[in-house]
Amino acid sequence: SQQGEEDPQALSIQEGENATMNCSYKTSINNLQWYRQNSGRGLVHLILIRSNEREKHSGRLRVTLDTSKKSSSLLITASRAADTASYFCATDAPFSSGSARQLTFGSGTQLTVLP
Amino acid sequence: DARVTQTPRHKVTEMGQEVTMRCQPILGHNTVFWYRQTMMQGLELLAYFRNRAPLDDSGMPKDRFSAEMPDATLATLKIQPSEPRDSAVYFCASGLVPIYGYTFGSGTRLTVV
Repeated sequence: SQQGEEDPQALSIQEGENATMNCSYKTSINNLQWYRQNSGRGLVHLILIRSNEREKHSGRLRVTLDTSKKSSSLLITASRAADTASYFCATDAPFSSGSARQLTFGSGTQLTVLP
Repeated sequence: DARVTQTPRHKVTEMGQEVTMRCQPILGHNTVFWYRQTMMQGLELLAYFRNRAPLDDSGMPKDRFSAEMPDATLATLKIQPSEPRDSAVYFCASGLVPIYGYTFGSGTRLTVV
């Protein structure tokens, strides 16, 4: 079963708007990562936030992590048509935590940015 | 930029045939994953190696799948015999633990007819 679940499953916005995607997970984690996948391509690592961090920025990306709620959000500001892709959160769970797997992916959010 | 190289990019095979997929991780990375991606199941972890030792392959159907790292420059995923339900895109990813994120290959698109 998947550790993370993204919300919404699909998001369509106009170029220049902000896009927010959410991820919830179930077990304790070492860190949480966000990846992007363009259609027919491999996944590209975007940003990693550690369990002791609450917010992180990278260019137009802002990630937050709330370990008490077991949730994270990815904000893309000033979106562009080139941001159109699927976005996945992935949780890196301690290997000793029983059934929790290393780097388990959620089901993804399909983002469409309209020009 | 350093890349994870997967071969072949595409593979069409008949049911019952053996399929071998190869992955060249980034030099110096100590962790390798194999994932399978389908529309229905999303990304499923099949196998996980740290310093070439298998740490977790519980997501892999053991009766037909096997994963190995014969050396630090090569990881293989083998399916024998293949079945139509194995049709998917298979990704390899490598990284360095403590990790800063993983690098994925472009995948092998497998079609079993």
